[in-house]
Amino acid sequence: EMQLVESGGDLVKPGGSLRLSCAGSGFTFANAWLSWVRQTPGKGLEWVGRIKSKTDGETTEYAAPLKGRFTISRDDPKNTLYLQMDGLKTEDTAMYYCTKYYDGSVGALDVWGQGTMVTVSS
Amino acid sequence: DIVVTQSPDSLAVSLGERATINCKSSQSVLYSSNNKNYLAWYQQKAGQPPKLLIYWASTRESGVPDRFSGSGSGTEFTLTISSLQAEDVAVYYCQQYYTLPLTFGGGTKVEIK
Repeated sequence: EMQLVESGGDLVKPGGSLRLSCAGSGFTFANAWLSWVRQTPGKGLEWVGRIKSKTDGETTEYAAPLKGRFTISRDDPKNTLYLQMDGLKTEDTAMYYCTKYYDGSVGALDVWGQGTMVTVSS
Repeated sequence: DIVVTQSPDSLAVSLGERATINCKSSQSVLYSSNNKNYLAWYQQKAGQPPKLLIYWASTRESGVPDRFSGSGSGTEFTLTISSLQAEDVAVYYCQQYYTLPLTFGGGTKVEIK
């Protein structure tokens, strides 16, 4: 069974940093394109960004408002995806999901983790 | 960015009856070179992450009951639940993957009447 498990969510003060992790199993992690999606009651589902597989260049793309503050990386030998979040704002408060692209580069998201909650508050 | 709009925001349907959810994109998500619509549907039950139901606008994900069907092309799409079951109570989202950023509709809450 394909699975993604996030960790690292926490309560952090505005301006702070946090790194989320996501462990994958049940599929060839190194071949997968992966993304982070966040969800808030007010703004619904919001795509955060994506990282390609190493064979496809391991390039990253981000939602425009988050570019420069958020960084996605991966460690394929550890089957782990990361989201480094810096300069956190209260509006970054959300449930963060790690997701896998369906069949390589197709952006339908066929595997979702259970999510990890990030709360930004003073 | 492609804006994805769903309607209605919520609907209540009797058990065994049909539920229809609409999704409209601000520009076409039909890729002419392969004639595929880059549109997916998800189901999210309370306390759970979204689950992929349909991709390419009409292809059911493995294990999804055949009472779920997707249709449409270009900018207008529909998710139909042919005979609503109690376990279908959820919020349903459409999402375009034609271009980045991936964008989602606001969701449609389906309840039992």
